[in-house]
Amino acid sequence: GAGVSQSPSNKVTEKGKDVELRCDPISGHTALYWYRQSLGQGLEFLIYFQGNSAPDKSGLPSDRFSAERTGGSVSTLTIQRTQQEDSAVYLCASSFRGPLRGYTFGSGTRLTVV
Amino acid sequence: AQKVTQAQTEISVVEKEDVTLDCVYETRDTTYYLFWYKQPPSGELVFLIRRNSFDEQNEISGRYSWNFQKSTSSFNFTITASQVVDSAVYFCALIPNAGKSTFGDGTTLTVKP
Repeated sequence: GAGVSQSPSNKVTEKGKDVELRCDPISGHTALYWYRQSLGQGLEFLIYFQGNSAPDKSGLPSDRFSAERTGGSVSTLTIQRTQQEDSAVYLCASSFRGPLRGYTFGSGTRLTVV
Repeated sequence: AQKVTQAQTEISVVEKEDVTLDCVYETRDTTYYLFWYKQPPSGELVFLIRRNSFDEQNEISGRYSWNFQKSTSSFNFTITASQVVDSAVYFCALIPNAGKSTFGDGTTLTVKP
């Protein structure tokens, strides 16, 4: 597609349930990033995929968070046993190989845990 | 460790005023990239500019200009003759050659008519 696509755009879930957030990057972009933006806050790095290399998971806040990238394209961010503090906008971005040309961000998934 | 500080949480100006958004960074890397992004009310982040650590030339693009000063670790962003459509949250980011990036907390700019 022309841009980075994220789904769903909004997700309301009950505390304790698992959620999956999807990111479809721009075709040909080898680098994919997940960020979290809490209300009124800046962007918090979560995880970074670059080609076939092992992902940089150093930003994941707990072992309830995991992410996969299948076939070097679509990525899924999974949050298990959601907590209220997980409520935030989850942004995905992709770039061609790395940061040289900047990232293109998706519109995000607004997650609300009730 | 990397750090990006945008000391101005909120700025409010009247249309046609000039406004400068400050960004100060810390890094031990010798090669890195600095970015500014705009996040309008719609939420989607829009890339504005990239500057690499070896290029200290200032840049002007229309009403936007950027002042990169390595000596003070600053990468400030100026909007000249601001317009209501400039109202948004602006993020400064530091990105190493590969991998983990650091964003500032953002500056919310409100331009009043």
